[in-house]
Amino acid sequence: GENVEQHPSTLSVQEGDSAVIKCTYSDSASNYFPWYKQELGKGPQLIIDIRSNVGEKKDQRIAVTLNKTAKHFSLHITETQPEDSAVYFCAALSGYSTLTFGKGTMLLVSP
Amino acid sequence: DGGITQSPKYLFRKEGQNVTLSCEQNLNHDAMYWYRQDPGQGLRLIYYSQIVNDFQKGDIAEGYSVSREKKESFPLTVTSAQKNPTAFYLCASSGQESSGNTIYFGEGSWLTVV
Repeated sequence: GENVEQHPSTLSVQEGDSAVIKCTYSDSASNYFPWYKQELGKGPQLIIDIRSNVGEKKDQRIAVTLNKTAKHFSLHITETQPEDSAVYFCAALSGYSTLTFGKGTMLLVSP
Repeated sequence: DGGITQSPKYLFRKEGQNVTLSCEQNLNHDAMYWYRQDPGQGLRLIYYSQIVNDFQKGDIAEGYSVSREKKESFPLTVTSAQKNPTAFYLCASSGQESSGNTIYFGEGSWLTVV
């Protein structure tokens, strides 16, 4: 089955800095890669996703890049704000029809 | 409002008891999922159902049971066979959208063994 590795497990940045979270996956057949943001005590919310037919996608301050050859994808957050503080999960969807999640990154943005 | 509703938000289970977590969605999604979340473990798939009256085991199905009698409902029963049930449980659903099987989550249910 699919295996997703996510790094780092924790990330501390100053407000205004950029944050980058990286994930690798094992199944070359995976074709859909969503990112979720989870605030304390709440369910994960989809913030951006990318499919295997594109290499980059942007939505305001967030962007995701995908390198199919290397089997890794990354989340980039620019101009971070304290409200960006949360746990972020990457995931990959392969032909098995269920998402496999990374173990999460706790992002702390200090004012 | 459209979405996924989980209840109860907090639940306490005594040793040897079965408890059932409710999950209802009004998104007209075909597929529904149950995940368990423990600190540092990410999200692990318990069961999923892609169509009414059918469901499959996920990675950690032992000690759990589900049913899918209606499209909008996918209750999870945590049985007494689950030896370490204290966790945050998340229900999710997905539909056949033009952009693919995007998965949406409910707000979760906390289960604690007392």
